[in-house]
Amino acid sequence: GIQVEQSPPDLILQEGANSTLRCNFSDSVNNLQWFHQNPWGQLINLFYIPSGTKQNGRLSATTVATERYSLLYISSSQTTDSGVYFCAVAPMNYGGATNKLIFGTGTLLAVQP
Amino acid sequence: NAGVTQTPKFRVLKTGQSMTLLCAQDMNHEYMYWYRQDPGMGLRLIHYSVGEGTTAKGEVPDGYNVSRLKKQNFLLGLESAAPSQTSVYFCASSYSDGGTGELFFGEGSRLTVL
Repeated sequence: GIQVEQSPPDLILQEGANSTLRCNFSDSVNNLQWFHQNPWGQLINLFYIPSGTKQNGRLSATTVATERYSLLYISSSQTTDSGVYFCAVAPMNYGGATNKLIFGTGTLLAVQP
Repeated sequence: NAGVTQTPKFRVLKTGQSMTLLCAQDMNHEYMYWYRQDPGMGLRLIHYSVGEGTTAKGEVPDGYNVSRLKKQNFLLGLESAAPSQTSVYFCASSYSDGGTGELFFGEGSRLTVL
């Protein structure tokens, strides 16, 4: 099956710093989503981005489907950005079906004041 | 809008007991899902539903049953709980499957089986 690898596994930042999180996947996809799980466990959908670039405030994401990776950029980080960031992908040979989403193991981000 | 609501938020069971987790969504989504999250394993799909009256198995369905009698509700049942089912359970819903299948999650239900 498709493999999803996220890097780095852990990241510590000072408030105000920028960061880039990476998601590599081993097969063609047409469904890719980024999620943030806050320290209280709540999972928030950040981006639905099977290809291209999207921005939402200080966060942006880029997926290069032909090279099988996606990047999540966090600029001017804040303590509220702390938590785990998950990438999830669904392979193209299943039509990108949401029920075929495979989650990576996440990047644990800690933003210190 | 409440979005996706799960009840209960916490539960402790003894081995062999049964329980039901309720998921309710008010977004008129067709698709609903139950995931479990375990340390180092990420999220894994237990069961899902593509519409009222339908259910299907996900990646880790054994030991669980589900029902979708109403479009807005998706129930996850454990008939005879085992310690291996200690986990955090998340319900999610999506408007469609695939092309616009953004997932929206509930707040999670932490289950401990002693």
